[in-house]
Amino acid sequence: GDSVTQMEGPVTLSEEAFLTINCTYTATGYPSLFWYVQYPGEGLQLLLKATKADDKGSNKGFEATYRKETTSFHLEKGSVQVSDSAVYFCALSGAAAGNKLTFGGGTRVLVKP
Amino acid sequence: NAGVTQTPKFRILKIGQSMTLQCAQDMNHNYMYWYRQDPGMGLKLIYYSVGAGITDKGEVPNGYNVSRSTTEDFPLRLELAAPSQTSVYFCASSSGVNTEAFFGQGTRLTVV
Repeated sequence: GDSVTQMEGPVTLSEEAFLTINCTYTATGYPSLFWYVQYPGEGLQLLLKATKADDKGSNKGFEATYRKETTSFHLEKGSVQVSDSAVYFCALSGAAAGNKLTFGGGTRVLVKP
Repeated sequence: NAGVTQTPKFRILKIGQSMTLQCAQDMNHNYMYWYRQDPGMGLKLIYYSVGAGITDKGEVPNGYNVSRSTTEDFPLRLELAAPSQTSVYFCASSSGVNTEAFFGQGTRLTVV
């Protein structure tokens, strides 16, 4: 079945550092790929998405490119802020799997001032 | 904009008790999901539904039941609560294939 693997955390960075969170996936067909963010005590909210190969999703300075050849969707941000401290989840959804939304294990990011 | 509404926000149950976690969405979404998130862990799919009258098991359905009699509501039933069901439960909905999901704020359940 479909699966998502992302790097384990926690990832601890200083403010203005570069952030990369690796995400790879296994899926049949052509899924859509998502990054969700969960701030402390809250539910998940969509950060960005990409629906086909080579698409780049971007939002709030974060970017991720749908790489079908490497089955990856790595999240990047050039200069993180303390307010980016959160848990980040990579996810996929595809018609081949009945549109179930499958999540990776999450990566906790802590940005220190 | 209400989006996805979950009730209650917090609940403490004794072992063996039953309860229903409520979830309602006002976006006319066909797809709805229930996930659980254990401390420091990712989300695991319990049950999902692709439309009224249709439900299917996710990866961790044991100990839970669902129903989907309307498009708006997708309640999750715990029949005999066990300490292993202590978790945060999230309901989500989406409009269809390859679309983003919208999440509720979660229900924090403790079974003692």
